[in-house]
Amino acid sequence: GDSVTQMEGPVTLSEEAFLTINCTYTATGYPSLFWYVQYPGEGLQLLLKATKADDKGSNKGFEATYRKETTSFHLEKGSVQVSDSAVYFCALVSGGSNYKLTFGKGTLLTVNP
Amino acid sequence: DAGVTQSPTHLIKTRGQQVTLRCSPKSGHDTVSWYQQALGQGPQFIFQYYEEEERQRGNFPDRFSGHQFPNYSSELNVNALLLGDSALYLCASGPMGEFYGYTFGSGTRLTVV
Repeated sequence: GDSVTQMEGPVTLSEEAFLTINCTYTATGYPSLFWYVQYPGEGLQLLLKATKADDKGSNKGFEATYRKETTSFHLEKGSVQVSDSAVYFCALVSGGSNYKLTFGKGTLLTVNP
Repeated sequence: DAGVTQSPTHLIKTRGQQVTLRCSPKSGHDTVSWYQQALGQGPQFIFQYYEEEERQRGNFPDRFSGHQFPNYSSELNVNALLLGDSALYLCASGPMGEFYGYTFGSGTRLTVV
């Protein structure tokens, strides 16, 4: 079945540091890939997405590239801010799942001033 | 434009009781999915509703049931509550046939004591 593996957290960075959160996946067919963010006490917000190989999703300074050869979708940001502190979830929808999202376990990011 | 609205926000129930959670989808969305998010975990798919029918179901027992109404709103019912049912329950809506990565509500925090 479909699965998503994210790097273990928590991740603690200083403001303006470079961020990478690794994500790899197993899926049938050609999945669409997503990063969601969850701020404390809130639901999930879609951060970015990519629907085919070599697509780059980007939003709010975050980027992730769909790498089919390595089945990866790593999240990066060049300079994090305190306001980026949240839990980040990698997720996928595969062709045979009729839009069911499969999530990783999440990575807690804390950015200190 | 209101997003996905869930009620109640918090709920405390006793083992063995039954609970009903409610969700109003974002305007223009006709599918509703429910997810269970245990503490420190990624959301797990429960089921999806479209045209008032359950279209897909995750690996959850029959104690979990749902309903979608003609106005696209939805209910999640859980019978014979167990302590392990304590979690954040998230509702997500989207337009069928055009997947952008669902819009999530803020969730209902269910505590079973």
